[in-house]
Amino acid sequence: NAGVTQTPKFHILKIGQSMTLQCTQDMNHNYMYWYRQDPGMGLKLIYYSVGAGITDKGEVPNGYNVSRSTTEDFPLRLELAAPSQTSVYFCASSPRHTNTEAFFGQGTRLTVV
Amino acid sequence: AQTVTQSQPEMSVQEAETVTLSCTYDTSESNYYLFWYKQPPSRQMILVIRQEAYKQQNATENRFSVNFQKAAKSFSLKISDSQLGDTAMYFCAFIDNAGNMLTFGGGTRLMVKP
Repeated sequence: NAGVTQTPKFHILKIGQSMTLQCTQDMNHNYMYWYRQDPGMGLKLIYYSVGAGITDKGEVPNGYNVSRSTTEDFPLRLELAAPSQTSVYFCASSPRHTNTEAFFGQGTRLTVV
Repeated sequence: AQTVTQSQPEMSVQEAETVTLSCTYDTSESNYYLFWYKQPPSRQMILVIRQEAYKQQNATENRFSVNFQKAAKSFSLKISDSQLGDTAMYFCAFIDNAGNMLTFGGGTRLMVKP
């Protein structure tokens, strides 16, 4: 059971470029989340999804887009990358949003130069 | 919107001693769930303990226990008999039944010294 898989693990992006961070889970979880973690800081919610076809903004959605065409996949798109988007990105999933834990991927360290 | 605050950016404790990490939160909801997550240097997020707001009894998991004070909106984590492997960032997190956003605090970096 792979759990939550994020790719790539590391990436360097030039200012103005675009890229997609991939996230896949094989646990049939309805809820999926994207967070960013800046150095020494907590996790800030970018976008979340409560099921296929449904997405919603979190605290810091500007500069990002998401889609949820299947239960398994929840890619995060960065358009026109900026240095402020240098961060570690975590994808997480949970079967329901209440008393069950969220399962996290290993994170993607993204540097925008 | 709910907020989660961890007022101790860094803490240290001697091996085998006890340490308490603080967390406060703000919500208008009456039914919600609280979590403590551990993030070691490997970056992996690991659930340490969870508490359901409607349960008055404090949750306990081996050396980890919480002091949940609902009226004060406080949710502290006590680590007993600290071990070197407890060195990590610790995050408090909150989610309520009405919303779908799992919200994290800013984290406390804990160093366990030999």
